[in-house]
Amino acid sequence: EVQLVESGGGLIQPGGSLRLSCEVSGLTFSTSSFNWVRQAPGKGLEWLSFINGFTGAIYYTDSVKGRFTISRDNAKNSLYLQLNSLRPDDTAVYYCARNGVTVTGTPWGYFDYWGQGTLVTVSS
Amino acid sequence: IQMTQSPSTLSASVGDRVTITCRASQSISSWLAWYRQKPGKAPHLLISKASILESGVPSRFSGRGSGTEFTLTISSLQPDDFATYYCQQYITDPWTFGQGTKVEIK
Repeated sequence: EVQLVESGGGLIQPGGSLRLSCEVSGLTFSTSSFNWVRQAPGKGLEWLSFINGFTGAIYYTDSVKGRFTISRDNAKNSLYLQLNSLRPDDTAVYYCARNGVTVTGTPWGYFDYWGQGTLVTVSS
Repeated sequence: IQMTQSPSTLSASVGDRVTITCRASQSISSWLAWYRQKPGKAPHLLISKASILESGVPSRFSGRGSGTEFTLTISSLQPDDFATYYCQQYITDPWTFGQGTKVEIK
């Protein structure tokens, strides 16, 4: 059974930093590509960042470029998101999600497995 | 690329046929996915490439469209289907979602 389990969320003051983790099991982590997607309370889904399992390529959406950093540790089957310079509008549930793949393993841009999410609240 | 869903809210009864529309601000070919999200849960992938049903997804779900206009149809609404549905384009990053369509009990 594939499982993605996020952790590291919590209450943080504006301007603070937080590191989210996503521990993955039940699939071949090292060649899988992953993302972070967030959802503000009562709002829709916003894709944040992608890391390619084969090439190491990394992409970000503009609203988090320069503040958030995605990384991975293949030895620990874990994905991370470092959140810096946090603002109240970063308050959201943060999900990790795996990219769907072609038969050759190339990642598609949709998400076939998701974690349960971790809540980040930015407030003084 | 902006994705716009309609309606934002839909009231329906068990057994009804419902259709949700998703429009892209520019052509995305067939690079569109649909998700269902139940309250307090993560989204769940239903359809990729506009019309390919994911393994395990009931056949009452179907997707159509290409270019800029797409639809998700549920042929006979079940209690499990009262949820929020999102479309997502993946032709180019940043990958973007529609604002969601909430399917409510009438």
